[in-house]
Amino acid sequence: NAGVTQTPKFQVLKTGQSMTLQCAQDMNHEYMSWYRQDPGMGLRLIHYSVGAGITDQGEVPNGYNVSRSTTEDFPLRLLSAAPSQTSVYFCASSYSLRAGNSPLHFGNGTRLTVT
Amino acid sequence: EDQVTQSPEALRLQEGESSSLNCSYTVSGLRGLFWYRQDPGKGPEFLFTLYSAGEEKEKERLKATLTKKESFLHITAPKPEDSATYLCAVQANTGFQKLVFGTGTRLLVSP
Repeated sequence: NAGVTQTPKFQVLKTGQSMTLQCAQDMNHEYMSWYRQDPGMGLRLIHYSVGAGITDQGEVPNGYNVSRSTTEDFPLRLLSAAPSQTSVYFCASSYSLRAGNSPLHFGNGTRLTVT
Repeated sequence: EDQVTQSPEALRLQEGESSSLNCSYTVSGLRGLFWYRQDPGKGPEFLFTLYSAGEEKEKERLKATLTKKESFLHITAPKPEDSATYLCAVQANTGFQKLVFGTGTRLLVSP
């Protein structure tokens, strides 16, 4: 049972480069989300999706794009990387946050450094 | 604006020395309060969900409680393997698709 799988685990980018962080879940969860975790700031929501074809912005969406073409996958795209995007990125999924009794399941993160 | 404040930032205990972690919150109607454990280099791992004041949940040496303004995570007779960062998050009735997280409490249990 893989749960939430994130790739890559580590990435170094130069300012201005673009890349895609991958996230896949095998639990048939309808809700998927991306968070970033920075020291002293806690986890902050970037984008989320409540189902295939539906995405919405979270607290810190600027500089990031998402799409949800399948239930399983929810990639996060950095369009033009900036040093301020150096962080640890977590993908999380849930059967449904609407119900309130289905917690988020997290992947093990992608540690991104932008130089 | 929904907010979560956790204290202390860090806590060092001796094995067997019980203590409590605090999570204070302000939210426009609480749908749920969540506790997670996070080990270094890993993603948060779900521990508990609490829904209403007075509710309690237990798992091994951990017990979570909830009031209208805060939640406590009580650790009874901790062991070194309980060392981790403990995160608290709230889900509001409005904007329920978003969880708001605290910055966590780093717990170190020494043998």
